[in-house]
This record gives sequence, C-alpha cells and structure tokens, in this order.
Amino acid sequence: NAGVTQTPKFQVLKTGQSMTLQCAQDMNHEYMSWYRQDPGMGLRLIHYSVGAGITDQGEVPNGYNVSRSTTEDFPLRLLSAAPSQTSVYFCASSTSVALSYEQYFGPGTRLTVT
Amino acid sequence: AQTVTQSQPEMSVQEAETVTLSCTYDTSESDYYLFWYKQPPSRQMILVIRQEAYKQQNATENRFSVNFQKAAKSFSLKISDSQLGDAAMYFCASLLTGANSKLTFGKGITLSVRP
Repeated sequence: NAGVTQTPKFQVLKTGQSMTLQCAQDMNHEYMSWYRQDPGMGLRLIHYSVGAGITDQGEVPNGYNVSRSTTEDFPLRLLSAAPSQTSVYFCASSTSVALSYEQYFGPGTRLTVT
Repeated sequence: AQTVTQSQPEMSVQEAETVTLSCTYDTSESDYYLFWYKQPPSRQMILVIRQEAYKQQNATENRFSVNFQKAAKSFSLKISDSQLGDAAMYFCASLLTGANSKLTFGKGITLSVRP
C-alpha cells in the first residue's frame, strides 16, 4: 500500500519556467489537497478537491492550477515560476468514510525557484 | 473562516519530563475535528492525535493526550515521559466537516528534548 506519493522530491526551476508536481493516492479517498510550507507560516492550503472533476481554491491559489480527472491523481501546475514559490509542497488525501477525516500526507517536494 | 493560533514558536523539555503545547482556534461551526501533527526532520507529517468536537472526553494516545476546552476554544497537547524521538515541529489543525471539508493549520511549534 503506497499511500500518497509525490514526485519529484526535489526540483530547481528558473523564474518563468512551468512545471507540474505530481500527486497520487491509492486509498480511494475523495478529498485531496495541496499545501505549501514556508518557515514560520505553517502549512497553507493552495487548492483542494472533494472528488473527481471538482476543485476549489484554498488560501494561497495564485500562480497555481489544479485539475482532478481521476480519484487517484491530483497534479499541481506552476504556470510561470517565481522566487516567491520557493517552498516545500505537500499533497494530502482524506476520506469522510467512517467519519475519519484523517489527512494522509505525501513526503513533500522541495521546490527552489532561482 | 477558521483560524488556529500557536503562540509559542519554540519549547524545550528535559527527557522523561512532561510538556504541554498550547493551541487555540476560532470557528463559528459546531461540528469540527481538531488534530495535532508531528513533523520530524524527515519532513513527513505524522498524525499524533485527533479530537472530535462533539466528544467531551479528551483523546489519549499512549504518552500523548489533549486538554480540549470547547468553550474556551483551546486544544493543548500534553506529552508525558518525553523521549528524544519526540523532538520535532508540532502543528495544531482544525477541520470543518461537510462538503467542503478542509484543514487549517497553526504556524507550528518546534519542540526540543534535552538528554
């Protein structure tokens, strides 16, 4: 059971480049989310999804796009990378089945934009 | 909107002693969950303990327990018999249930354990 997987683990981009952070889960969870973690800021929600085909913005959505074509995958796209997007990115999934709501996190992606 | 406040950025505890990490939250909803997550240097987020708002009894998981004061909107984590492996960053978080369920985190507290 792989849980939540994220690729890549590390990435360096130049300003203006685009890229996609991949996230997949094999637990059939309906909820998936993307967070960014910055020093002294905790984890802040970027985008989330309550099911395939449904996405919504979180606290800090600017500069990021998401889509959810399947239950398993929830990629995060950086359209034109900026140094302010240097951060650690976490993907998470959860389910309301049995009133669990526990979020399962991926290992994170450390992104540096130069 | 939800807010979660962890006002202490750092704490230190002697090995084998007890430490309490503070957290307050604000929500106008009546149905929510509260969590404490641990993040060791490996960066992996690990669930420590969970509390359902409708339950009056404080949650306990081995050496970890919470003091949930619903009226005061307070949710502190007590770690008993602290171990070196408890050194990590700890995040308090709240989650509203329902169709748009999402988690809101505090800024975290760094706990160090002195041998």
